Amino acid sequence: KAGVTQTPRYLIKTRGQQVTLSCSPISGHRSVSWYQQTPGQGLQFLFEYFSETQRNKGNFPGRFSGRQFSNSRSEMNVSTLELGDSALYLCASSLLWGGETEAFFGQGTRLTVV
Amino acid sequence: DQQVKQNSPSLSVQEGRISILNCDYTNSMFDYFLWYKKYPAEGPTFLISISSIKDKNEDGRFTVFLNKSAKHLSLHIVPSQPGDSAVYFCAASASGGYQKVTFGIGTKLQVIP
Repeated sequence: KAGVTQTPRYLIKTRGQQVTLSCSPISGHRSVSWYQQTPGQGLQFLFEYFSETQRNKGNFPGRFSGRQFSNSRSEMNVSTLELGDSALYLCASSLLWGGETEAFFGQGTRLTVV
Repeated sequence: DQQVKQNSPSLSVQEGRISILNCDYTNSMFDYFLWYKKYPAEGPTFLISISSIKDKNEDGRFTVFLNKSAKHLSLHIVPSQPGDSAVYFCAASASGGYQKVTFGIGTKLQVIP
């Protein structure tokens, strides 16, 4: 079956702009989580959605938001981009919510803010 | 505050030898632990997990050991192969409700042929 698909793979934006990233989970998976990966910081949890509802949120400013659609596809939005937002953004899907279940990651979207 | 710590940013091991990757955690509520492997330009892939009711879980060449009293877990790879060269992330979560997964910063393993 198809894996987790993230689009676009690469993105270059200017400081102050906004960006929307997309994630299509594995068919049948209802949980989608988003992570930010930067050098030296590992994977920082952004938020998790299950059945169109945000179930958990990490310690990121309100400029980072997301949503999940009825088909479980998810989008993440970052407004008023800052240079420090440059990172690899990873999406992961799983059958159930929370941490006691294997997550399947997409290849990520590499965002560069200039 | 890093609740999951991987204190070794990198590790080099000869092919055929044992690789031991370590992970410490501070949150006593964590009771489920996972290891993920990540190759460059790819997303992390699940490797092995362990519940706090166990102290060891084995899957082929990969074994995870959990020492709850020390809040420490380790991943053993025996024998190590060049294809194992990747970044390994330790992750932890607490059971019950919508609990997020907390990742460490990763350890880069290089297996030298």
